[in-house]
Amino acid sequence: DSGVTQTPKHLITATGQRVTLRCSPRSGDLSVYWYQQSLDQGLQFLIQYYNGEERAKGNILERFSAQQFPDLHSELNLSSLELGDSALYFCASSPEGSGGPKSTDTQYFGPGTRLTVL
Amino acid sequence: AQSVTQLGSHVSVSEGALVLLRCNYSSSVPPYLFWYVQYPNQGLQLLLKYTSAATLVKGINGFEAEFKKSETSFHLTKPSAHMSDAAEYFCAVTRGGSNYKLTFGKGTLLTVNP
Repeated sequence: DSGVTQTPKHLITATGQRVTLRCSPRSGDLSVYWYQQSLDQGLQFLIQYYNGEERAKGNILERFSAQQFPDLHSELNLSSLELGDSALYFCASSPEGSGGPKSTDTQYFGPGTRLTVL
Repeated sequence: AQSVTQLGSHVSVSEGALVLLRCNYSSSVPPYLFWYVQYPNQGLQLLLKYTSAATLVKGINGFEAEFKKSETSFHLTKPSAHMSDAAEYFCAVTRGGSNYKLTFGKGTLLTVNP
C-alpha cells in the first residue's frame, strides 16, 4: 500500500460525458502527478501540481483539466469523452516537487482508476 | 529530452533462472533512473532507483540494477526467478531539477514458467 488513494476504482461512461477522478496523496506529500496508461500510448505523464499550483504539463488534452485543493487532494476532470480516452489513470505523489535540491524524490503511485468509455 | 527504451516487450524465464530486463536511456543531462513493477490489476510499485550515489543499486524482492554510463544502460537483474515475479516491469527516467516528470519505457512483461 503506497498511501496514495484514488477513487473511483472503476468508471464506465458514455462518449460525450464528463467525469472526475479523485486522488489523495500520501500524508505530507505536496506534489501530485497524473499519468495515463493505455495500450497504444503506454504510460504517459499528464500534469503535475505542487502545493496547489500547476508545476508541469505533459501530454494532456485540452478536454482534460486538473486542480489541487488546499487539503492537497487533486481531481482530474475529463470532458467530452471519446472512446480513445479509455485507459487507466494513475495518480502519484511525492514529498516535494518545487525544483529544489532533492530532485530525486520518489513518486508513489496509487492503484489507479480504470475508465471505460462506451 | 530524455527517453527510455526497453528491449523486449515480453521475457519468459523458468523458475530459478536468471532474470535480465533491459533498459537503455537517452538524456542530455545526468539522469535519475527507476524501475517500477506493476502486478496484474494493481498500481506501480517502486523496485529501485539510481540517484548517482552508487552505480549498483539494490532494490526490493532481490532485484538489482547497474547504471552503466558508457552503455547508457540500466538493466534489471535477479539471480533466481520466482513465480511471484511475474508482472510487468517499467523503466523510467527523470532528469531532476525542475523537471520531475517520469518518462516511462513501454514495459516488459515477465512470465515465469514452473
